[in-house]
Amino acid sequence: QKEVEQDPGPLSVPEGAIVSLNCTYSNSAFQYFMWYRQYSRKGPELLMYTYSSGNKEDGRFTAQVDKSSKYISLFIRDSQPSDSATYLCAMKPSWGKLQFGAGTQVVVTP
Amino acid sequence: GAGVSQSPSNKVTEKGKDVELRCDPISGHTALYWYRQSLGQGLEFLIYFQGNSAPDKSGLPSDRFSAERTGGSVSTLTIQRTQQEDSAVYLCASSLRPPTDEETQYFGPGTRLLVL
Repeated sequence: QKEVEQDPGPLSVPEGAIVSLNCTYSNSAFQYFMWYRQYSRKGPELLMYTYSSGNKEDGRFTAQVDKSSKYISLFIRDSQPSDSATYLCAMKPSWGKLQFGAGTQVVVTP
Repeated sequence: GAGVSQSPSNKVTEKGKDVELRCDPISGHTALYWYRQSLGQGLEFLIYFQGNSAPDKSGLPSDRFSAERTGGSVSTLTIQRTQQEDSAVYLCASSLRPPTDEETQYFGPGTRLLVL
């Protein structure tokens, strides 16, 4: 079983809707949680970075971490066609390598 | 400033041939990673370089895979006797620090390898 599970989608939403993405994990040592965005034929770029539990907001993006449930989420408000991409969750312990989810493909239709 | 660059962007090769993939990290970044991304799969860690330390090769899938990093900068990933299952996107990332708490990795655009 993979340490990080993420539904690959695709997830299709109309423009303006809220996009909800999530990952579950099994390693309780994970402390740092990230979301990367990857456009087609590009490398991943860091979108959000959260330490331990709690929420973090950056513009239209909100990241949530629930360590008790080993569950993290990313919400995108007022979604735009330019948000169409693959979103990968990633996480790591204090010292150690990043573990990535499989990525969820998001399509925002005009 | 310049980001992580990789070459070639695309590589088509025949089964059994050797290939070399190149990564130029961000200047000053001491850590360099290679990952493999297959369709529908997450990023699979391959190898990690940190400064002058011995590399962490724990992710290399077979002895056909090797990598080196010359002068603490440019890295080359070599795949010998390529197989069709090696077809994937090979991503390179660099970071300013070792994999400590605040490490942020910056990725290149990847090399798309197709083995026929």
